[in-house]
Formats: sequence, structure tokens, C-alpha cells
Amino acid sequence: DTGVSQDPRHKITKRGQNVTFRCDPISEHNRLYWYRQTLGQGPEFLTYFQNEAQLEKSRLLSDRFSAERPKGSFSTLEIQRTEQGDSAMYLCASSSTINTEAFFGQGTRLTVV
Amino acid sequence: QKEVEQNSGPLSVPEGAIASLNCTYSDRVSQSFFWYRQYSGKSPELIMSIYSNGDKEDGRFTAQLNKASQYVSLLIRDSQPSDSATYLCAVNHQAGTALIFGKGTTLSVSS
Repeated sequence: DTGVSQDPRHKITKRGQNVTFRCDPISEHNRLYWYRQTLGQGPEFLTYFQNEAQLEKSRLLSDRFSAERPKGSFSTLEIQRTEQGDSAMYLCASSSTINTEAFFGQGTRLTVV
Repeated sequence: QKEVEQNSGPLSVPEGAIASLNCTYSDRVSQSFFWYRQYSGKSPELIMSIYSNGDKEDGRFTAQLNKASQYVSLLIRDSQPSDSATYLCAVNHQAGTALIFGKGTTLSVSS
């Protein structure tokens, strides 16, 4: 069990560029979550997959954000036309259907300049 | 709007003391409750989960749940400087939905 893996760990991008992050969940976990966290705040829910189905998406999630989990394994989160307000830590977590305990990856820190 | 409330702190305790962290939640039908520890610049680490009323102990940590009062707490006994971190309370209001997090309480343990 290698835990939840996220790539890249850090990303610096210019405003207006598109970025894509990858998350590999714990192998036996069929649920995958994306969160965003800014300084001094708790993780803010973005979206959630069970297998390949995207079951829940935050109303706060801009149309510039899209997530996929095409084969029910790894997931990608894309942000189009990045803005400075998108600068944050993007966290991925996974859990199983039987046990709702969610485990986080190391996160991807995005800086938009 | 489902909410999870925590006192942001900082909570300062001397080494060896008991640290008490509290959390309230708004959704009465919430089912699962979790405490995560987060060191500065790192991702959250699960330390406790609790699902039914009462206490659950794991080493120096005790989680307490009172569903009638919509209240969950975390006690850390014999606090150590290495316990200095932000503690996040998370609530799952329905099986199969995402966790909702509080803003976290910063704990500082002085030696």
C-alpha cells in the first residue's frame, strides 16, 4: 500500500494558463475526492467520484474546473485560464465503500503569478 | 448549508497537560466524524474516527461524540511538543458523500 499519490507536488504557472493535476488513490479504494485548501482554512470540497462516476460537485466550483476519473483508478483535475485566486493547495483523498475513512495525498501546491 | 465549527485558537498548553479540542456541526443526521492532524505545509493526516455516541480511545487520543448536542471533541493526554499542529474536525453527513471540514484549531504545546 503506497498511499495516495499526487503529481506534481508544486506548480507555478502564469495567469491564464491551463494546469492539470493527477491523483492516484490507494489501490483498493473506489472513492476519490478533490479538495482545495488556502492558508488558515480547512479543506474545501471540490468534487467526488465513486469508481468512474462523478457523484458530487461543489456549487462553488467554477466552470474553469473539470475533473475526470476515466477508468475508476487515477483522477485528473484541470483548471483552465488560471487566476491568482486559484493559488492554493489541491488535495486528493480516497476511501473505500466499506470504510469511510479518507486518506489524503501529499497535495499539489499551485501558485499562479 | 451544512457547517462544521471549530475555535481557530491558538490553544496553548504546557507539555504533559491535556489538550481539549472541540467541534460542533449543524446537520443533525450526520453519521461519521473524524479528526485530522495537519502540520504546517503538509496534508491532513487521519488520527481518529468515531461513529457512535460515547468515547473512543486510541493511545493518548480520545474522541468524544454527543449526537444530541451535535458536538464532537478530541482530548490529547500527556501533550508533547510534537503534537503542535492544526487539528481539523470533519463530518460526513451521509454515507457516500464527501467530508465537510471545519477551519481547524491550532494547538501549541510548550516544553
